Amino acid sequence: DTAVSQTPKYLVTQMGNDKSIKCEQNLGHDTMYWYKQDSKKFLKIMFSYNNKELIINETVPNRFSPKSPDKAHLNLHINSLELGDSAVYFCASSLSGRNYEQYFGPGTRLTVT
Amino acid sequence: GENVEQHPSTLSVQEGDSAVIKCTYSDSASNYFPWYKQELGKRPQLIIDIRSNVGEKKDQRIAVTLNKTAKHFSLHITETQPEDSAVYFCAASNQGAQKLVFGQGTRLTINP
Repeated sequence: DTAVSQTPKYLVTQMGNDKSIKCEQNLGHDTMYWYKQDSKKFLKIMFSYNNKELIINETVPNRFSPKSPDKAHLNLHINSLELGDSAVYFCASSLSGRNYEQYFGPGTRLTVT
Repeated sequence: GENVEQHPSTLSVQEGDSAVIKCTYSDSASNYFPWYKQELGKRPQLIIDIRSNVGEKKDQRIAVTLNKTAKHFSLHITETQPEDSAVYFCAASNQGAQKLVFGQGTRLTINP
C-alpha cells in the first residue's frame, strides 16, 4: 500500500558508470517530480512530468535523462556518473492544478566512488 | 525565478518551549506555502500549508503565519516534544509554475 516507491534504496557505483532509479506512485496523481538532496540537505527540483510530458527541466546536465512511460511511473537514468552526483534522489508526485500536496518517495542514496 | 530564504539553519530549544522558523520569498506571484518535516533518513512529509488568501492557519501545536506584503511566512511549534526534532523545510510556489522552491532547511533539536 506504499504511495510513492523508489528502487533501489541504495546505489553504490564507480565514476563513469550508467545507472537508473525507478519511481512508481499508486495515488492516481498526474504529476511526478525528481528532486536532488545534497549533503547539506538542500532540496532542489530537477524535473517534473505532467501526464507523461516534461514540464520542468531545471538546468540539469544532459547526463540526466528522465523517462515517464505512463502517469504512474517516472524513471531517472544517469550516464557517466561523477563524484558530484552523490546525493539522495527523491521522487514525488501530486495532482496538478491548485498546488496540491507533493508526496515524496523514500529516496535513493546514490554514492559515486 | 522564485528564491526562498530560511532562518535559522539550526535551532535548539528546551522541551516544552516554542520554536519559530522564518522564511522569506521573492516572487509576489507565489500563492502556496507548505512546510515539510524530514526526520533523519526519512522522506520529507507535509505538516502544514497555507495559501495566500489566508493569514494564519493552525493545526494543534503547529501554526503558520503569512505576511504577503512583506513576503515572509513563519512556522510556530508550541509545547515542543522530542519527536519534533527533525529538519524543517519551507517552500513556495505559484499555481502556474507547478514547482516548489524550497528553503535551505532548519535543523531543529529539542533538548529534554
